[in-house]
Amino acid sequence: DAGVIQSPRHEVTEMGQEVTLRCKPISGHDYLFWYRQTMMRGLELLIYFNNNVPIDDSGMPEDRFSAKMPNASFSTLKIQPSEPRDSAVYFCASSDPLADSYNEQFFGPGTRLTVL
Amino acid sequence: SQKIEQNSEALNIQEGKTATLTCNYTNYSPAYLQWYRQDPGRGPVFLLLIRENEKEKRKERLKVTFDTTLKQSLFHITASQPADSATYLCALDYAYSGAGSYQLTFGKGTKLSVIP
Repeated sequence: DAGVIQSPRHEVTEMGQEVTLRCKPISGHDYLFWYRQTMMRGLELLIYFNNNVPIDDSGMPEDRFSAKMPNASFSTLKIQPSEPRDSAVYFCASSDPLADSYNEQFFGPGTRLTVL
Repeated sequence: SQKIEQNSEALNIQEGKTATLTCNYTNYSPAYLQWYRQDPGRGPVFLLLIRENEKEKRKERLKVTFDTTLKQSLFHITASQPADSATYLCALDYAYSGAGSYQLTFGKGTKLSVIP
Protein backbone atom coordinates (compact mmCIF):
# COMPACT_ATOMS: atom_id res chain seq x y z
CA ASP A 1 0.00 0.00 0.00
CA ALA A 2 1.20 3.53 -0.75
CA GLY A 3 0.25 4.79 2.67
CA VAL A 4 -1.93 7.82 3.35
CA ILE A 5 -1.85 10.21 0.41
CA GLN A 6 -2.40 13.93 0.77
CA SER A 7 -2.58 16.67 -1.83
CA PRO A 8 -1.39 19.25 -2.41
CA ARG A 9 1.87 19.06 -0.46
CA HIS A 10 2.18 22.82 -0.41
CA GLU A 11 -0.45 25.50 -0.85
CA VAL A 12 0.05 29.24 -0.86
CA THR A 13 -3.05 31.37 -1.10
CA GLU A 14 -4.29 34.81 -0.32
CA MET A 15 -6.55 35.73 2.53
CA GLY A 16 -10.19 35.26 1.66
CA GLN A 17 -9.64 32.47 -0.85
CA GLU A 18 -11.11 29.01 -0.55
CA VAL A 19 -8.67 26.18 0.17
CA THR A 20 -9.38 22.47 -0.28
CA LEU A 21 -7.08 19.81 1.14
CA ARG A 22 -7.43 16.21 0.04
CA CYS A 23 -6.72 12.86 1.64
CA LYS A 24 -6.80 9.23 0.55
CA PRO A 25 -6.58 6.87 3.55
CA ILE A 26 -5.02 3.44 3.57
CA SER A 27 -7.37 0.93 1.98
CA GLY A 28 -9.38 -0.95 4.60
CA HIS A 29 -8.90 1.63 7.34
CA ASP A 30 -12.25 2.75 8.68
CA TYR A 31 -11.06 5.67 10.83
CA LEU A 32 -9.83 8.90 9.29
CA PHE A 33 -8.46 11.87 11.24
CA TRP A 34 -7.64 15.46 10.27
CA TYR A 35 -5.00 17.26 12.36
CA ARG A 36 -3.41 20.69 12.28
CA GLN A 37 0.16 21.28 13.52
CA THR A 38 1.70 24.61 14.51
CA MET A 39 4.68 25.50 16.65
CA MET A 40 2.48 27.22 19.21
CA ARG A 41 -0.25 24.63 19.60
CA GLY A 42 1.39 21.40 18.48
CA LEU A 43 -0.67 18.68 16.80
CA GLU A 44 -4.39 19.26 17.24
CA LEU A 45 -7.23 16.96 16.21
CA LEU A 46 -9.77 18.82 14.09
CA ILE A 47 -12.28 16.10 13.18
CA TYR A 48 -12.46 12.37 12.73
CA PHE A 49 -14.63 9.96 10.77
CA ASN A 50 -15.63 6.34 11.29
CA ASN A 51 -16.97 4.50 8.26
CA ASN A 52 -17.31 7.85 6.45
CA VAL A 53 -19.44 9.37 9.23
CA PRO A 54 -18.12 12.38 11.21
CA ILE A 55 -17.88 11.34 14.86
CA ASP A 56 -16.38 14.36 16.60
CA ASP A 57 -15.80 17.77 15.02
CA SER A 58 -15.31 19.66 18.29
CA GLY A 59 -11.77 20.52 17.26
CA MET A 60 -12.82 22.40 14.14
CA PRO A 61 -11.89 26.00 14.89
CA GLU A 62 -14.94 27.71 13.43
CA ASP A 63 -17.54 27.62 10.72
CA ARG A 64 -14.99 28.51 8.09
CA PHE A 65 -13.74 24.93 8.34
CA SER A 66 -15.66 21.97 6.95
CA ALA A 67 -14.76 18.36 6.22
CA LYS A 68 -16.41 15.64 4.19
CA MET A 69 -15.84 11.98 3.48
CA PRO A 70 -18.03 11.02 0.54
CA ASN A 71 -16.60 7.49 0.36
CA ALA A 72 -14.12 5.21 2.11
CA SER A 73 -11.20 6.29 -0.06
CA PHE A 74 -11.47 10.08 -0.07
CA SER A 75 -11.85 12.98 2.32
CA THR A 76 -11.57 16.76 2.00
CA LEU A 77 -10.94 19.57 4.45
CA LYS A 78 -12.13 22.93 3.21
CA ILE A 79 -11.40 26.41 4.57
CA GLN A 80 -13.57 29.21 3.29
CA PRO A 81 -12.62 32.00 3.57
CA SER A 82 -9.00 31.41 4.56
CA GLU A 83 -7.16 33.69 6.99
CA PRO A 84 -3.44 34.12 7.77
CA ARG A 85 -3.91 32.42 11.15
CA ASP A 86 -4.91 29.25 9.31
CA SER A 87 -1.30 28.86 8.15
CA ALA A 88 -0.11 25.50 9.45
CA VAL A 89 0.69 21.95 8.39
CA TYR A 90 -2.45 19.85 8.00
CA PHE A 91 -2.15 16.10 8.43
CA CYS A 92 -4.53 13.34 7.56
CA ALA A 93 -4.21 9.99 9.35
CA SER A 94 -6.05 6.69 9.15
CA SER A 95 -6.31 3.63 11.35
CA ASP A 96 -7.96 0.24 11.66
CA PRO A 97 -8.15 -0.23 15.45
CA LEU A 98 -10.25 -3.37 15.34
CA ALA A 99 -7.58 -5.18 13.34
CA ASP A 100 -4.58 -3.54 15.00
CA SER A 101 -4.14 -4.03 18.72
CA TYR A 102 -1.73 -1.08 18.82
CA ASN A 103 -4.34 1.31 17.45
CA GLU A 104 -1.58 2.82 15.36
CA GLN A 105 -2.47 5.92 13.39
CA PHE A 106 -0.79 6.18 9.99
CA PHE A 107 -0.07 9.73 8.97
CA GLY A 108 0.21 11.26 5.54
CA PRO A 109 3.06 13.60 4.57
CA GLY A 110 0.97 16.67 5.34
CA THR A 111 -0.06 19.79 3.45
CA ARG A 112 1.82 22.96 4.33
CA LEU A 113 -0.66 25.82 4.00
CA THR A 114 0.44 29.44 3.85
CA VAL A 115 -2.23 32.13 3.79
CA LEU A 116 -0.86 35.56 2.87
CA SER B 1 -9.92 17.99 29.09
CA GLN B 2 -6.67 16.10 29.20
CA LYS B 3 -3.47 18.19 29.24
CA ILE B 4 -0.14 16.71 28.24
CA GLU B 5 3.30 18.13 28.95
CA GLN B 6 6.52 16.86 27.47
CA ASN B 7 9.39 17.87 29.73
CA SER B 8 11.35 20.00 27.35
CA GLU B 9 11.13 21.36 23.86
CA ALA B 10 14.68 20.27 23.07
CA LEU B 11 17.17 17.76 24.42
CA ASN B 12 20.81 17.39 23.33
CA ILE B 13 22.79 14.29 24.23
CA GLN B 14 26.07 12.69 23.26
CA GLU B 15 26.09 9.70 20.95
CA GLY B 16 26.10 6.42 22.86
CA LYS B 17 24.29 7.83 25.90
CA THR B 18 20.73 7.05 26.95
CA ALA B 19 18.13 9.67 26.08
CA THR B 20 15.19 9.97 28.47
CA LEU B 21 12.08 11.90 27.47
CA THR B 22 9.19 12.63 29.80
CA CYS B 23 5.47 12.85 29.19
CA ASN B 24 3.19 14.06 32.00
CA TYR B 25 -0.58 14.25 31.89
CA THR B 26 -3.34 15.65 34.07
CA ASN B 27 -6.74 14.27 34.98
CA TYR B 28 -7.57 10.62 34.46
CA SER B 29 -5.18 7.93 33.32
CA PRO B 30 -5.82 6.92 29.71
CA ALA B 31 -6.52 3.43 28.43
CA TYR B 32 -3.12 3.52 26.74
CA LEU B 33 -0.33 5.83 25.76
CA GLN B 34 1.63 5.92 22.51
CA TRP B 35 4.94 7.38 21.37
CA TYR B 36 5.54 8.66 17.85
CA ARG B 37 8.60 9.91 16.00
CA GLN B 38 8.42 12.87 13.63
CA ASP B 39 11.16 13.87 11.23
CA PRO B 40 11.24 17.36 9.65
CA GLY B 41 8.73 17.74 6.83
CA ARG B 42 7.07 14.40 7.52
CA GLY B 43 4.13 13.02 9.42
CA PRO B 44 4.50 11.28 12.80
CA VAL B 45 5.36 7.57 12.76
CA PHE B 46 4.17 5.18 15.48
CA LEU B 47 6.84 3.62 17.70
CA LEU B 48 5.33 2.01 20.79
CA LEU B 49 2.11 1.59 22.76
CA ILE B 50 1.82 0.89 26.49
CA ARG B 51 -1.47 0.06 28.21
CA GLU B 52 -2.65 1.27 31.60
CA ASN B 53 -2.02 -2.13 33.21
CA GLU B 54 1.55 -2.39 31.88
CA LYS B 55 4.58 -0.96 33.63
CA GLU B 56 7.15 -1.27 30.87
CA LYS B 57 7.46 -2.04 27.16
CA ARG B 58 10.59 -2.61 25.10
CA LYS B 59 11.37 -2.61 21.40
CA GLU B 60 14.99 -2.96 20.35
CA ARG B 61 16.78 0.10 21.85
CA LEU B 62 13.53 1.72 22.94
CA LYS B 63 11.90 1.40 26.36
CA VAL B 64 8.70 2.99 27.61
CA THR B 65 7.40 3.08 31.17
CA PHE B 66 3.97 4.10 32.41
CA ASP B 67 3.34 5.20 35.99
CA THR B 68 -0.35 5.94 36.57
CA THR B 69 0.36 7.12 40.13
CA LEU B 70 2.75 9.80 38.92
CA LYS B 71 0.69 10.30 35.75
CA GLN B 72 3.87 10.01 33.77
CA SER B 73 5.47 8.06 30.95
CA LEU B 74 9.20 7.89 30.32
CA PHE B 75 10.65 7.11 26.90
CA HIS B 76 14.23 5.87 26.76
CA ILE B 77 16.55 5.40 23.80
CA THR B 78 19.66 3.46 24.78
CA ALA B 79 22.97 3.65 22.90
CA SER B 80 21.67 6.70 21.06
CA GLN B 81 22.79 7.41 17.51
CA PRO B 82 22.71 10.57 15.37
CA ALA B 83 19.97 8.86 13.30
CA ASP B 84 17.76 8.98 16.41
CA SER B 85 17.65 12.78 16.10
CA ALA B 86 13.99 13.72 15.60
CA THR B 87 10.98 15.07 17.48
CA TYR B 88 9.24 12.55 19.72
CA LEU B 89 5.57 12.94 20.54
CA CYS B 90 3.54 11.20 23.20
CA ALA B 91 -0.16 10.65 22.62
CA LEU B 92 -2.96 9.63 24.96
CA ASP B 93 -6.26 8.00 24.20
CA TYR B 94 -9.30 9.92 25.40
CA ALA B 95 -11.05 6.98 27.03
CA TYR B 96 -10.74 6.06 30.67
CA SER B 97 -9.96 2.41 30.13
CA GLY B 98 -10.73 -0.64 28.11
CA ALA B 99 -10.34 -0.62 24.37
CA GLY B 100 -10.09 3.13 24.19
CA SER B 101 -11.85 5.70 22.07
CA TYR B 102 -9.33 5.63 19.17
CA GLN B 103 -9.12 9.41 19.50
CA LEU B 104 -5.71 10.76 20.53
CA THR B 105 -4.42 13.87 22.27
CA PHE B 106 -0.80 14.66 21.41
CA GLY B 107 1.89 16.43 23.39
CA LYS B 108 3.88 19.16 21.67
CA GLY B 109 6.91 16.93 21.41
CA THR B 110 10.55 16.96 22.43
CA LYS B 111 13.18 17.60 19.77
CA LEU B 112 16.07 15.25 20.40
CA SER B 113 19.51 15.94 18.94
CA VAL B 114 22.16 13.25 19.26
CA ILE B 115 25.60 14.76 18.88
CA PRO B 116 28.36 12.60 17.35
